[in-house]
Amino acid sequence: EIVLTQSPGTLSLSPGERATLSCRASQSVSSSYLAWYQQKPGQAPRLLIYGASSRATGIPDRFSGSGSGTDFTLTISRLEPEDFAVYYCQQYGSSPPGYTFGQGTKLEIK
Amino acid sequence: EVQLVESGGGLVQPGRSLRLSCAASGFTFDDYAMHWVRQAPGKGLEWVSGISWNSGSIGYADSVKGRFTISRDNAKNSLYLQMNSLRAEDTALYYCAKASYFYAFDIWGQGTMVTVSS
Repeated sequence: EIVLTQSPGTLSLSPGERATLSCRASQSVSSSYLAWYQQKPGQAPRLLIYGASSRATGIPDRFSGSGSGTDFTLTISRLEPEDFAVYYCQQYGSSPPGYTFGQGTKLEIK
Repeated sequence: EVQLVESGGGLVQPGRSLRLSCAASGFTFDDYAMHWVRQAPGKGLEWVSGISWNSGSIGYADSVKGRFTISRDNAKNSLYLQMNSLRAEDTALYYCAKASYFYAFDIWGQGTMVTVSS
């Protein structure tokens, strides 16, 4: 089973700054099957990025995803107040078939 | 409006059973795979189970294999999760999620809480 490790665990930044979140896989992941989600307190997760770099419908272009193999990154170019939340990466693997999530990165206001 | 609404959660004793339901609306339900994802209090997300559009392909996390059964009724636009032999570690908010392109989950319900305790 592929394990996803996100870093840092907590990221403290100010509005207007750039955020860089990392997701590292224990073995190579197909870029097609790597996604990122945002979750705010008391809310369901929201899909931000699929296929490692494609933005989901309605997601602002300040959110971008990149990476391949075992290293993936979610970048928020200029933080807005509503961006402070927990972010999860997720992958699908075919052997064995199943989905795994990273443990999450909490993005908090500095 | 695209919507998923879960129901069926509650307080249950260890070893007992519970059946969760998810009602879908606003999209062509039988075009998509569907999944259950859970989140223990204060913890991260864990995929539980998924089912293809025609129920021909089903998968489970190792943590629930042999105890949980996923099913769907396309005529009723509904997804189900039968949970047997429940354990304290199954306590979580259970989300229903619609599969999208590239094995991502693009629509989520608000979740139904399951608490396993004596």
